[in-house]
Amino acid sequence: LAKTTQPISMDSYEGQEVNITCSHNNIATNDYITWYQQFPSQGPRFIIQGYKTKVTNEVASLFIPADRKSSTLSLPRVSLSDTAVYYCLVVLRSNDYKLSFGAGTTVTVRA
Amino acid sequence: EPEVTQTPSHQVTQMGQEVILRCVPISNHLYFYWYRQILGQKVEFLVSFYNNEISEKSEIFDDQFSVERPDGSNFTLKIRSTKLEDSAMYFCASSLPGQNTDTQYFGPGTRLTVL
Repeated sequence: LAKTTQPISMDSYEGQEVNITCSHNNIATNDYITWYQQFPSQGPRFIIQGYKTKVTNEVASLFIPADRKSSTLSLPRVSLSDTAVYYCLVVLRSNDYKLSFGAGTTVTVRA
Repeated sequence: EPEVTQTPSHQVTQMGQEVILRCVPISNHLYFYWYRQILGQKVEFLVSFYNNEISEKSEIFDDQFSVERPDGSNFTLKIRSTKLEDSAMYFCASSLPGQNTDTQYFGPGTRLTVL
């Protein structure tokens, strides 16, 4: 499984855009980049997944450069309720579907 | 939107006792998982289950742990003889891997406290 590295924490203010960059230097050809969000005392929640270029949904955007060795999760106009831990995972889409979570990035949004 | 449910939300038990944690995965999903998260630590994979058998398990999932899908809806995790270090949040997840997605949907968790 490709190892991921992301910042331990980030602080932001309401209404700002938050960008979390994750590095995954040894990502393999068949790996996908997936982000999950976790609020305290809750289970992780899927945010977005991508393979290359840009993916956007109603919650976030995911930017993946051509070499795929890093990715950036972008949360537009965060609110206090976006305070959570954000996990970057590299997932091999094959018969092995287990998720390996790292420490994640704790994003704190202040008023 | 369909969701994974787990019961109980909090279980307190004495060391050495057996506990069964219950999960109801999303109805059309085929893969089921258990993860745990010790307080302040990362989410750890325990086991995956497909087609009525374990497909993968981690080193944590030793002989004290077992999983079962006793009927068409429930998925259970049993800890035979609990230890203090089993105290954690236990999350069930399910997925329906397909061509374009293999998103795992997590339940709200069961907080297990072993005294």
